[in-house]
Amino acid sequence: QITLKESGPTLVKPTQTLTLTCTFSGFSLSTSGVAVGWIRQPPGKALEWLALIYWDDDKRYSPSLKSRLTITKDTSKNQVVLTMTNMDPVDTATYFCAHRRGGQSFDYWGRGTLVTVSS
Amino acid sequence: DIVMTQSPDSLAVSLGERATINCKSSQSVLLTSNNKNYVVWYQQKPGQPPKLLIYWASTRESGVPDRFNGSGSGTDFTLTISSLQAEDVAVYYCQQYFNTPYTFGQGTKLEVK
Repeated sequence: QITLKESGPTLVKPTQTLTLTCTFSGFSLSTSGVAVGWIRQPPGKALEWLALIYWDDDKRYSPSLKSRLTITKDTSKNQVVLTMTNMDPVDTATYFCAHRRGGQSFDYWGRGTLVTVSS
Repeated sequence: DIVMTQSPDSLAVSLGERATINCKSSQSVLLTSNNKNYVVWYQQKPGQPPKLLIYWASTRESGVPDRFNGSGSGTDFTLTISSLQAEDVAVYYCQQYFNTPYTFGQGTKLEVK
């Protein structure tokens, strides 16, 4: 049974750095082909892919946010961490982490965590 | 980036009737070496994460009712719900995973007429 859960602050101030943790179970991020991604969704809006980290530590980022994002993994803790610098109110969104099946797309998602950016 | 454009933005269908949602990619997402289209369809209900319905454009995820069908190839894709049930009210998204950045359509809101 694959599960993922996002954790982190619910409120951050503009210019601050957001750090979100995805804690998962039911799979290993050292298994060939597996990846974990981050996706966000502003209230009432569409999904936006942010970043992806592969089992071999390869990483991919959204070009529009690449300068602000860092994704890392701790295989021993079954965690993936996303940091986003210089937060702005437009970054207010529900942030999801998701398991990517080998060679495919996201089949299991966390419930998401709402992050509000406000002073 | 590959742009995914869904139509319509919203749709109202009577219970038991067919619902059709379209998705067009700005470039082909068909990998000719394996003849697979790198498109998925998700269903999202309020307050919930997206749920995977269809992958490889036409393969139903395990446990998904067979009234959900995906079709299309290259740049044009369709999600069809053959007989709408009340529990199908949701927003539906297509997404390409042909390359990064992965991109989503803007969503189609499906309601009961």
